[in-house]
Amino acid sequence: EIVMTQSPATLSVSPGERATLSCRASQSVSSNLAWYQQKPGQAPRLLIYGASTRATGIPARFSGSGSGTEFTLTISSLQSEDFAVYYCQQYNNWPPNTFGQGTKLEIK
Amino acid sequence: QLQLQESGPGLVKPSETLSLTCTVSGGSISSSSYYWGWIRQPPGKGLEWIGSIYYSGSTYYNPSLKSRVTISVDTSKNQFSLKLSSVTAADTAVYYCARHPSILWCYDPWGQGTLVTVSS
Repeated sequence: EIVMTQSPATLSVSPGERATLSCRASQSVSSNLAWYQQKPGQAPRLLIYGASTRATGIPARFSGSGSGTEFTLTISSLQSEDFAVYYCQQYNNWPPNTFGQGTKLEIK
Repeated sequence: QLQLQESGPGLVKPSETLSLTCTVSGGSISSSSYYWGWIRQPPGKGLEWIGSIYYSGSTYYNPSLKSRVTISVDTSKNQFSLKLSSVTAADTAVYYCARHPSILWCYDPWGQGTLVTVSS
């Protein structure tokens, strides 16, 4: 099973600033990586798939990069609605596809 | 617009079987392009994939749960279901159903989720 490790666990950023979230895989997952956003009491929402392709309706301020074992989600200018928990997920080696433990993005 | 909705008991006793159904609306569960999956999230914790099913009945399960999980599909009702046997308190979680493309195992959209508590 591939283990996904996200860092940091919590990230404090001011509105309007840039946020950079990291995800590392225990072995290569090629570009088969997705990012999700989850707000309290809501289901996760797909943001990015294929490591860098935005899902339908996702604003351009969200971008993904990386391949192999190192990945990054960047939010270029944080809006109030972006403060949430973010998860990465690999779907290269399955079953099982696996999720990271999440990064909580909080207002500084 | 495709929507998924989970339903089932919110409380299950230890050692019994958890049963949930996901109803799909706004689209057909028989689409050849998609699988239908179950994911769970214990309170305050991360996400765990449980398993997925194709409209033909082909399934994939998480090896860690495989001995206790059965996922089935009813195309006539546009529904798929989850059964998890011999539950313990560790199975207490919000259970989500979701769709994923057959070639891209990432989930979109998701149901709103349903909390299942295992307690006597």
